[in-house]
Amino acid sequence: QVHLVESGGGVVQPGRSLRLSCAASGFTFSSYAMHWVRQAPGKGLEWVAVISYDGSSEYYAASAKGRFTISRDNSKNTVFLQMNSLRPEDTAVYYCARAGGQHWLGGLFDFWGQGALVTVSS
Amino acid sequence: DIVMTQSPDSLAVSLGERATISCKSSQSVLSSSNNKNYLAWYQQTPGQPPKLLIYWASTRESGVPDRFSGSGSGTDFTLTISSLQAEDVAVYYCQHYYGAPYTFGQGTKLEIK
Repeated sequence: QVHLVESGGGVVQPGRSLRLSCAASGFTFSSYAMHWVRQAPGKGLEWVAVISYDGSSEYYAASAKGRFTISRDNSKNTVFLQMNSLRPEDTAVYYCARAGGQHWLGGLFDFWGQGALVTVSS
Repeated sequence: DIVMTQSPDSLAVSLGERATISCKSSQSVLSSSNNKNYLAWYQQTPGQPPKLLIYWASTRESGVPDRFSGSGSGTDFTLTISSLQAEDVAVYYCQHYYGAPYTFGQGTKLEIK
């Protein structure tokens, strides 16, 4: 079965960096685009970024563009989110999610990880 | 960006009764190329990640009980739970995937009356 496990969350000071990882198993990772979606405490869902199945294309939300970078290592079945210049408003649970179709860059999320909490605070 | 607006923000329904949640998009999410609505519904129970319920506005995800149904087209959509069960207590989100950025509604909290 599909399994997504995020790691790398924690408490970080404003302006610092953090890298999240999402380890995937149970499916052919290299055939699926992968997304990051976040949820601030007690708030709704916000899409952050997507990377194509082969890593050739990336798209970002306006809030992430220029500060966050999504990448993947298909040999290790892992997707990453490098977050730089973090702000208090980036505090959220960050979920990785699989795109709902092979070789498709679309924003339908059919499987989600349990999430990693990132807290940006001095 | 496409703005997704759900109503109501919260809803209390008796067990066994029907629950209906509305979702409106600020522009059409119906594709003229394939005549499909790029609209999904998710369920999030406390402490859990969201779970995909419905996609293409009306297609139930595998394993989702048939009491859940989606309808609508263009800019107006509805999620219906035909007979509310205790395990349906959750926050429900609509989301478009017509093109990036993919945006969600603000969520509707469903409770038992």
